[in-house]
Amino acid sequence: DIQMTQSPATLSGSVGDRVTITCRASQSISRGLAWYQQKPGRAPKLLIFEASNLESGVPSRFSGSGSGTEFTLTISSLQPDDFATYYCQHYDSFSWTFGQGTKVEIK
Amino acid sequence: QVQLVQSGAEVKKPGASVRVSCKTSGYTGTTYGITWVRQAPGQGLEWMGWVSGNNGKTRYADNLKGRVTMTMDPSTSTAYMELRSLTSDDAAVYFCARGQGIPSAFWGQGTLVTVSS
Repeated sequence: DIQMTQSPATLSGSVGDRVTITCRASQSISRGLAWYQQKPGRAPKLLIFEASNLESGVPSRFSGSGSGTEFTLTISSLQPDDFATYYCQHYDSFSWTFGQGTKVEIK
Repeated sequence: QVQLVQSGAEVKKPGASVRVSCKTSGYTGTTYGITWVRQAPGQGLEWMGWVSGNNGKTRYADNLKGRVTMTMDPSTSTAYMELRSLTSDDAAVYFCARGQGIPSAFWGQGTLVTVSS
């Protein structure tokens, strides 16, 4: 089974900071990688699919990159609404596999 | 607009079964399957499996095989997830999401399942 490992587990940032979250796959997954944002008590919100494609309606300060086994989610300028937990997700025709999550906190 | 509306919170005793529903609207129900994901308190997201929208085919996570059944009722555009032999480890918020094998922008609001004697 493919394992997804995110880092860091927690990230402290200030409004305006540029932050990056990394997700590593235990084997190559090409570009089958998505990123979600989740706030407490809410369903996950899709941000990025196919590693770097921005979901409709998602602010352009979010961007994704990578392929194979290493992927990144970057928020170019943290906004108050961005403090949340972020998950990477590998998807294929059989299943989904999530990373453990990265909590973005206010410094 | 696309909506997935889940059934309400459940409280179950250990050993019991729970069935959670996910009513879809805003699209043709058979076009997409439904994926189920759960989240234990304070924990991450766990994929449980999916049910196809057009032929009822299913795929389940290995750790749930034998205890979970996912079905789709096209006549009511409603998907169901039944989990049997509940333990405290099954206490979680259960989410449905539109689609199978692809990332989803459409999720239900979540259903809290509490397992307590």
